[in-house]
Amino acid sequence: DTGVSQNPRHKITKRGQNVTFRCDPISEHNRLYWYRQTLGQGPEFLTYFQNEAQLEKSRLLSDRFSAERPKGSFSTLEIQRTEQGDSAMYLCASSLTGNQPQHFGDGTRLSIL
Amino acid sequence: ELKVEQNPLFLSMQEGKNYTIYCNYSTTSDRLYWYRQDPGKSLESLFVLLSNGAVKQEGRLMASLDTKARLSTLHITAAVHDLSATYFCAVDIGGGGADGLTFGKGTHLIIQP
Repeated sequence: DTGVSQNPRHKITKRGQNVTFRCDPISEHNRLYWYRQTLGQGPEFLTYFQNEAQLEKSRLLSDRFSAERPKGSFSTLEIQRTEQGDSAMYLCASSLTGNQPQHFGDGTRLSIL
Repeated sequence: ELKVEQNPLFLSMQEGKNYTIYCNYSTTSDRLYWYRQDPGKSLESLFVLLSNGAVKQEGRLMASLDTKARLSTLHITAAVHDLSATYFCAVDIGGGGADGLTFGKGTHLIIQP
């Protein structure tokens, strides 16, 4: 399967801990996006990379959140000092151009105890 | 701030019937996407609409875009149970995806035999 791959699928952690998620986009896609989805809502945009450059960040991305895409391939999203409100599904998507659909991974579900 | 509103948010219908889901958005855009999400799964791209008057059809689903009215519709013809899912519309105002997509809350569709 050459789709968008995300790991882990599910992360359970205690409040205050740091967590890191990984996303491997479709190999030829230079655009990579992170979204967050809570129950009963549509995905909310967090940040966008074109190759290794992080070109856009949403206001939702507080200082506790950081994303990287060091070699323009896979990306990581880290959340420091997790809070209850961080519980959500974190989705990664990639696309080849701005006119093509974003292809989504299966997501990482974060549960904060 | 871009707002994307879908209606209805919940729809229960019988197999064989026709229905339309509406997606209104508040800011000028000529890029609109429809996605399908099954419970516990990620988002699957259905349609990409890139210009005023665009119409796309796939099986029993047809999507259209009226950029002047800031309205897109997803029409379901002779519904079958397999179409039960949550359907999202999403708007790109950043020009080429740079600002990510803004999603509606989704329409939860249940098709009963």
